[in-house]
Amino acid sequence: QSVLTQPPSASGTPGQRVTISCSGSSSNIGSNPVAWYQQLPGAAPKLLMFGNDQRPSGVPDRFSGSKSGTSVSLAISGLQSEDEADYYCAAWDGSVWVFGGGTKLTVL
Amino acid sequence: QVQLVESGGGVVQPGRSLRLYCGGSGFTFSSFGMHWIRQAPGKGLEWMAFIWPDGSIKHFAKSVKDRFTISRDNSKNTVYLQLNSLRAEDTAVYYCARDGANRDVDYWGLGTLVTVSS
Repeated sequence: QSVLTQPPSASGTPGQRVTISCSGSSSNIGSNPVAWYQQLPGAAPKLLMFGNDQRPSGVPDRFSGSKSGTSVSLAISGLQSEDEADYYCAAWDGSVWVFGGGTKLTVL
Repeated sequence: QVQLVESGGGVVQPGRSLRLYCGGSGFTFSSFGMHWIRQAPGKGLEWMAFIWPDGSIKHFAKSVKDRFTISRDNSKNTVYLQLNSLRAEDTAVYYCARDGANRDVDYWGLGTLVTVSS
């Protein structure tokens, strides 16, 4: 059982906008910035978003993040086939780093 | 560019020990905290441990704090994860990752596979 809660799956067609949610509590998302990671099949995770809504250099602006209270969301607009991957949210919870269970995004 | 390279994985019998290594390059290793994170086959990411830049403070996941130890040698740009009393459920790819400047984990290695099996 993960500390942060994500839907196990999401899907969309090319060009569509999809949103992945991540909910937590006051001790993690409520008081710390959230990061998102993209894990392509067979690859190591890659930082996709930090500080709730900041994109690292090289991440397309099709990806955006938002936060409200103890929940965050990752939105992907103009969905592309190469976006098919697992997505994880994560944040500090006291002195431990916690992850969501991951969301498998399928591009139909 | 930042690079993290893990090694030391392999097949080990239940109850035995293993030491994982992670070498960092492309950044000032001694200025960054380091994490170990694992991923069991077909499962999600599970954080294991974190060590401060100077090694003075360490944090562990409850599930492994009595069996795993994290340490580092800044003169060798290396962080270690000592795995003791290994169990089948410790089978996973173990990643080392750098603690970022924004209360995140910013760079990951490619991982090293640990298989616990008799």
